[in-house]
Amino acid sequence: DAGITQSPRYKITETGRQVTLMCHQTWSHSYMFWYRQDLGHGLRLIYYSAAADITDKGEVPDGYVVSRSKTENFPLTLESATRSQTSVYFCASSDGQGGQVQYFGPGTRLTVT
Amino acid sequence: QKEVEQNSGPLSVPEGAIASLNCTYSDRVSQSFFWYRQYSGKSPELIMSIYSNGDKEDGRFTAQLNKASQYVSLLIRDSQPSDSATYLCAVNIEDKIIFGKGTRLHILP
Repeated sequence: DAGITQSPRYKITETGRQVTLMCHQTWSHSYMFWYRQDLGHGLRLIYYSAAADITDKGEVPDGYVVSRSKTENFPLTLESATRSQTSVYFCASSDGQGGQVQYFGPGTRLTVT
Repeated sequence: QKEVEQNSGPLSVPEGAIASLNCTYSDRVSQSFFWYRQYSGKSPELIMSIYSNGDKEDGRFTAQLNKASQYVSLLIRDSQPSDSATYLCAVNIEDKIIFGKGTRLHILP
């Protein structure tokens, strides 16, 4: 029972590099979400997806790209990483029932130097 | 801008006492409300969901919702040291969830 997994768990990258964070869920949930969590800001929604090939912007989408070619995967790409993107990134999924009860992955701690 | 507001704390409560966590939200049409618990360095986990006015109890936890006042709260009875964590209030708005910044709860042994 893998649930929802994220990889890598920790990543250090340099400013200007492209980096992709992976998210995989085994529940066949239709909805998937990407959040970042920073001190003083709480959890902020970056992008979300209601189904394969359907994505939409959240509160802080600038500098990020997502895709969802398969229901179970929802990768997040930082096209040209900046220091302000240093954060903990959480992926979550939901079956859309119960008003969007969400289940979170373990998180990826990303440091941009 | 839809908002969910929480007192950041820390809220210090003696072991065995009742911890009371509060949350207000700005969107009058919200229908679903959640409390998540997050331990330091871990991901959020759902504690309670509540959808209608009144109280909902689950073990030591009680969620209270007042839609007219746009207010949702979480009571933790018989607080234990293991309850020390950050508690996130979350509100369903359209097909998204908006989270508050969380209240840090510290249970004093």
